[in-house]
Amino acid sequence: GAVVSQHPSRVICKSGTSVKIECRSLDFQATTMFWYRQFPKQSLMLMATSNEGSKATYEQGVEKDKFLINHASLTLSTLTVTSAHPEDSSFYICSASENDRPNSGYTFGSGTRLTVV
Amino acid sequence: GDSVTQMEGPVTLSEEAFLTINCTYTATGYPSLFWYVQYPGEGLQLLLKATKADDKGSNKGFEATYRKETTSFHLEKGSVQVSDSAVYFCALRGGATNKLIFGTGTLLAVQP
Repeated sequence: GAVVSQHPSRVICKSGTSVKIECRSLDFQATTMFWYRQFPKQSLMLMATSNEGSKATYEQGVEKDKFLINHASLTLSTLTVTSAHPEDSSFYICSASENDRPNSGYTFGSGTRLTVV
Repeated sequence: GDSVTQMEGPVTLSEEAFLTINCTYTATGYPSLFWYVQYPGEGLQLLLKATKADDKGSNKGFEATYRKETTSFHLEKGSVQVSDSAVYFCALRGGATNKLIFGTGTLLAVQP
């Protein structure tokens, strides 16, 4: 089945530094990928829609200069948290839908636990 | 806009008990409906889905039926196991967009 690999699974960084998270579709092509942030008590917030070869579409209230998204190929999207602060600490999850199977649902990565100290 | 309302947890059950997690939705058009499961420390896994009214999705003993008349997609399992302990998310994907809209999630804890 479809697999999405997300890396790293855990990262600790200092305040003011930047962190890059990768999301790869391993055995399918995905024109569109999605980035979510998961807050305590489980809720998932859609941050942005990543589009291959074009600019990402950000949800209301998400700072595009803070959370940089690049989708340079049909199998890779990256999220860079710039100038990280402790309040950016969270669980970030990506997902992708197979181009050839639009009704198959989305495949999720295993998530990245970011801790900013 | 589109939205999903899911019963709040946590839901605590004894092993072999019957499970129902309610989910209702608001959407224009004809959305596809999903249930995802998240085990501790992991990402989300698709549990089951239904793409049109009256469809029943099923997997691993879990079932959910797409009810257009009640705009619901309740998750059920006849006999839960300790290994079913996880967070369950109801979600929809509307016809106008590829976005997946999630409910708030329901934590299920099954005790031996």
